Formats: sequence, C-alpha cells, structure tokens
Amino acid sequence: EDKVVQSPLSLVVHEGDTVTLNCSYEVTNFRSLLWYKQEKKAPTFLFMLTSSGIEKKSGRLSSILDKKELFSILNITATQTGDSAIYLCAVEALRSNYQLIWGAGTKLIIKP
Amino acid sequence: DTGVSQDPRHKITKRGQNVTFRCDPISEHNRLYWYRQTLGQGPEFLTYFQNEAQLEKSRLLSDRFSAERPKGSFSTLEIQRTEQGDSAMYLCASSLAGQGRVFFGSGTQLSVL
Repeated sequence: EDKVVQSPLSLVVHEGDTVTLNCSYEVTNFRSLLWYKQEKKAPTFLFMLTSSGIEKKSGRLSSILDKKELFSILNITATQTGDSAIYLCAVEALRSNYQLIWGAGTKLIIKP
Repeated sequence: DTGVSQDPRHKITKRGQNVTFRCDPISEHNRLYWYRQTLGQGPEFLTYFQNEAQLEKSRLLSDRFSAERPKGSFSTLEIQRTEQGDSAMYLCASSLAGQGRVFFGSGTQLSVL
C-alpha cells in the first residue's frame, strides 16, 4: 500500500536554530514530491521535487530529494517564530490517475 | 480574488442534520479535490473531479457523503445525517490535470454537536 511517513511528528526549537524535517515514501509509480506549509487554514505550496540530488531553495528554506533511498528533507535555517506551522509532505503517484498521497505532517514550534 | 474559495468557513450543526459545503476552484483548473483533515493528521482524500466527472471516491467514504460538480466549475459536498465523527476541516483544492501542485481553499470547519 502506498504510504508517506514524516518525521518527527513534532519539533520544538529556539529561534535561530536550524531544523531538518524528513519525508520518506513507498509508492507505485512516483512522479513528484511536494512540500506544503500549513499555518491556520489552507496548506500553501513550498516546493515540488522531481529529480534526485537537485536542491530547491527559497530564502531560508531548501529541500532535496533522494529517489534511490526514497526520501526528501526540508531544511529551515535561522528559524523565526513565523516558521511555526505544520509542514506537510505529499507524493504524487499513480493510482487510478496521479494522486497526492499525504503524510501526517510535522508540527514545528519555534520558541522566541 | 482568484484563489480557491470555500463557503461557509465554519459550520456548527446538530447530529442527524444535513450539511452542504461549496467550493469555487481557480477558474482555469479542471481538477477539483475534496479532503478531510483532523487535528494532527494530513489531508485525507475524499473524492475528486475532472471537469464534471467524478473520477474517484475514497472507499472509506460512507454513503452519507456525496459530491457534485454539475457544470465542471463549482462543487458541493453534502453530508447527510451528520455524526460527531464527521467533525473535521473539509478542504477543497484544485489543479490542472497532469500537474501535481494543488491549490487549497481555506476550508470549512465542521463541528457536529
């Protein structure tokens, strides 16, 4: 059965720390992996990764995919309180059509 | 505002009542998804449409749930005879077919008393 597993489930760090969030997957016919940030309501898109070893970067956030070991990491450097959110990982895989399979998320809390 | 919009934002109902939620996707998007999310969990797939056709429905979805997208634009999700276990955030998302990235609405928070 297709699955996406995120770790840790929750994480508390202090402002300025660097964090690494993990997403591993087992799916049939992988197409892409996506990261979203969810604060209070709708998840908002961060990155979409399709190729191994190519880092995607946006400000203090970066992400990389390893298609051989079937995982991705999301790094946040110099964390700020505004980074507090749930970070969701989803994998696009073939079911009846390509669908997103979601992980449970990592709840990140940044303490001032 | 050209994003995905959902209505209402909050709904409180008594057990046994029927509720209906609406989703207006991004206008050029032909795919529309409904998800349910409870605290501490990622979005759980309910169903999706491509244009007006409902292509897949989660086997976990009971017969009390039904969704429509009559003209391939907005969609409605109806829950009949609500139960307390239906309390959750109901998220709508849209995308273009063939593109993995989905755009979410702000969700409808349902509380069944």
